[in-house]
Amino acid sequence: GENVEQHPSTLSVQEGDSAVIKCTYSDSASNYFPWYKQELGKRPQLIIDIRSNVGEKKDQRIAVTLNKTAKHFSLHITETQPEDSAVYFCAASKSPGGYNKLIFGAGTRLAVHP
Amino acid sequence: GAVVSQHPSRVICKSGTSVKIECRSLDFQATTMFWYRQFPKQSLMLMATSNEGSKATYEQGVEKDKFLINHASLTLSTLTVTSAHPEDSSFYICSAPDRGLDYGYTFGSGTRLTVV
Repeated sequence: GENVEQHPSTLSVQEGDSAVIKCTYSDSASNYFPWYKQELGKRPQLIIDIRSNVGEKKDQRIAVTLNKTAKHFSLHITETQPEDSAVYFCAASKSPGGYNKLIFGAGTRLAVHP
Repeated sequence: GAVVSQHPSRVICKSGTSVKIECRSLDFQATTMFWYRQFPKQSLMLMATSNEGSKATYEQGVEKDKFLINHASLTLSTLTVTSAHPEDSSFYICSAPDRGLDYGYTFGSGTRLTVV
């Protein structure tokens, strides 16, 4: 079945450094790749997403890159701040319509130290 | 944006009893609802997909008779955990496709179930 692998499981950086989280997916039909930030006991919060018709997307300090050939996508956070500390999940689904199930990676616990 | 209202946010029940969790789409019609379970420090695992007016589709390893899903209307999907046991204690969260997010997904606020 569909599978999304995410690495690393934990990531510790100094404030101001960059953080990179990587994911690979198994289903070549996947073409929607969101990234979520989740705080303890809360719902996942969408921070950025990318669809298969683009290779990169950026929103201020956050960027996502996609390599469909390698079935690989990554989250890049620059100039990290303590408030970026949280658990981050990548996910993948087929589209169109969003009526396809969303499969999550295992998560990365990011700690940003002042 | 679109809102999915999930209730209750927390529930404690005794072993052997049943608990119902509701997810309502407040300003859009959710013909599909995805139900996830999240154990502490783990990822969101898809349990089942409900579709309005038809039977839910369960993921491999999820007991249909234990986790009853009903999607009787375009705005309401429910998950009933029957004969709950302590190992069912978890964070349950629903999600619906959201046209406002260009067919991304909107999540309910989650239900923390504790079975004692």
